[in-house]
Amino acid sequence: EPEVTQTPSHQVTQMGQEVILRCVPISNHLYFYWYRQILGQKVEFLVSFYNNEISEKSEIFDDQFSVERPDGSNFTLKIRSTKLEDSAMYFCASSPTVGGYGYTFGSGTRLTVV
Amino acid sequence: GQQVMQIPQYQHVQEGEDFTTYCNSSTTLSNIQWYKQRPGGHPVFLIQLVKSGEVKKQKRLTFQFGEAKKNSSLHITATQTTDVGTYFCASPAPSNTGKLIFGQGTTLQVKP
Repeated sequence: EPEVTQTPSHQVTQMGQEVILRCVPISNHLYFYWYRQILGQKVEFLVSFYNNEISEKSEIFDDQFSVERPDGSNFTLKIRSTKLEDSAMYFCASSPTVGGYGYTFGSGTRLTVV
Repeated sequence: GQQVMQIPQYQHVQEGEDFTTYCNSSTTLSNIQWYKQRPGGHPVFLIQLVKSGEVKKQKRLTFQFGEAKKNSSLHITATQTTDVGTYFCASPAPSNTGKLIFGQGTTLQVKP
């Protein structure tokens, strides 16, 4: 069964450092997303991406965040200057259409900011 | 904006007992999706309900979508230890950008 692949599985970074989280969505999916989940809490939307541009972003997704699909395969989330409160599990997801099918989530990257 | 409320937050049951989690919204939902997240895992899509009053079954799991398309439930009959995890409902935002709005989740613990 096709999978969404995320790397790394765990990243520890110093506050103020830049991090890049990587994802390889399912190849024939057109819509890509980043969500985050603080430990024990619900899954929160960060950003949706289609046709090489952001479709929607949440208020969490401020100027410190950016997304990119650099090579038609990878989908990355960059946090420019990490804060302690950015510590969370970050999930990438993809879907073939908007809202019409279930989304496939990757196994996540646990980001710890110290 | 659209919110999806889910209850209960936690449920502890004895193996073999039934379990139900409920989702409610103040607005009409285009569809409702259900996901399961095992401890330490990622959300895994279970099912999508689209039609008013729709009922779908997957083995011991029964999913319902309310007549007004504002509420949904997931019922598990005769729970097993493999059912342990957090169950989330989610619905697409009206913006039609693919944004999913998740409920808070119900964490199920099953005592053997």
